[in-house]
Amino acid sequence: GESVGLHLPTLSVQEGDNSIINCAYSNSASDYFIWYKQESGKGPQFIIDIRSNMDKRQGQRVTVLLNKTVKHLSLQIAATQPGDSAVYFCAEKPPSGSEKLVFGKGTKLTVNP
Amino acid sequence: ETGVTQTPRHLVMGMTNKKSLKCEQHLGHNAMYWYKQSAKKPLELMFVYSLEERVENNSVPSRFSPECPNSSHLFLHLHTLQPEDSALYLCASSQGFRGRPEAFFGQGTRLTVV
Repeated sequence: GESVGLHLPTLSVQEGDNSIINCAYSNSASDYFIWYKQESGKGPQFIIDIRSNMDKRQGQRVTVLLNKTVKHLSLQIAATQPGDSAVYFCAEKPPSGSEKLVFGKGTKLTVNP
Repeated sequence: ETGVTQTPRHLVMGMTNKKSLKCEQHLGHNAMYWYKQSAKKPLELMFVYSLEERVENNSVPSRFSPECPNSSHLFLHLHTLQPEDSALYLCASSQGFRGRPEAFFGQGTRLTVV
């Protein structure tokens, strides 16, 4: 079925370390993936996206890796800062002709000073 | 700011009340969405509107009634809700079918049903 899941519900890192947040998806035909960040009391905010014809995309301090062989998506945050503390969601877009995104449960990232 | 504005930010209502949530997007998008976010659950898609036409209704109880008068505005009318309907209700918009699929979210309305 169409579902997106996350391996770890919580992740705690030290300030300055790199963070890796993982996501498994089940629909091998999904053609677009997004990472969102949700801070407390706010709506999800777009971080970075990647299309299925790519395996890596870099932004500012963030990198998304896509492994279609094992249906795995990861978000790497370099030099994690306290402001990175939030819940991170991955989302996939199945190629069903619908505009909808399918979201995972989220991983709560805590950055310790 | 994401360009998607939701009001009110917080709402407490009794089970017999009728209230409405409002969403407005200033991004020129063609699709708008209502999501429900409960603790420890994935975001649940409730309704999708594309070019003001409802294209998806994910088995949402009839006590939730959406309205999309134009491509910039979306409402969620609430009546005779239950305590389990307490959640964060998020509105989002996107370019729709022919554009980038990423959704831009509002800040949400924190709803408490008493």
